[in-house]
Amino acid sequence: VQVVESGGALVQPGGSLRLSCAISGFFFSDYYMDWVRQSPGKGLQWVARTRDKLHGYTTEYAASVKGRFTVSRDDPNNALYLQMTSLNSEDTARYFCVRSGPRGEIGTWNFDNWGQGTLVTVSS
Amino acid sequence: DIQMTQSPSSLSASVGDRVTITCRASQGIKDHLAWFQQKPGKAPKSLIYAASSLESGVPPRFSGSGYGTYFTLTISSLQPEDFATYFCQQYENYPPTFGQGTRLEMK
Repeated sequence: VQVVESGGALVQPGGSLRLSCAISGFFFSDYYMDWVRQSPGKGLQWVARTRDKLHGYTTEYAASVKGRFTVSRDDPNNALYLQMTSLNSEDTARYFCVRSGPRGEIGTWNFDNWGQGTLVTVSS
Repeated sequence: DIQMTQSPSSLSASVGDRVTITCRASQGIKDHLAWFQQKPGKAPKSLIYAASSLESGVPPRFSGSGYGTYFTLTISSLQPEDFATYFCQQYENYPPTFGQGTRLEMK
């Protein structure tokens, strides 16, 4: 399993950025995929989820990013994306692309493989 | 949101020691609890899911227990590679939430 993020950068407040995640080593369409971020002040914070093909690729978002961030996936090209707009200093963090797999009980999914992350810094 | 509270925040121990980290949820989460290990500059690594199920490839010196609101992670005999930060995380409700972490340091 390989999950490799890219796209992190220094961006000004109010700006936009798109993160990418390249997937290999497993059948992408069968898994949920998440973005989780980590910052020194706020620890680990889940950001967004896209479900698998079987569950209609539906999405979920943390309240703090809903309406500003959009998660999407390109299954034929094994790629996951996070489009971020209206960025502010609170969004400064390392962003991890995370695979979520079934976790025992039917219908239960959770993080099982993490990428190394990509750093997003929002500052003027 | 469900709050996850770990204790202690930091812990000093020696190779061979048995250590236990606790995690409390602000409301019942059944056994929808995971533990992760993170080393500096690295991604978190999954150790345990469903409160007590060991991830494939994780040494059996790691074990988890608990149900509802109280959970523990135990390392039966610390090895040098175990010094790291450990996080608990609930996946019973959205949003998934994490504990603040327990930093395990060498005494």
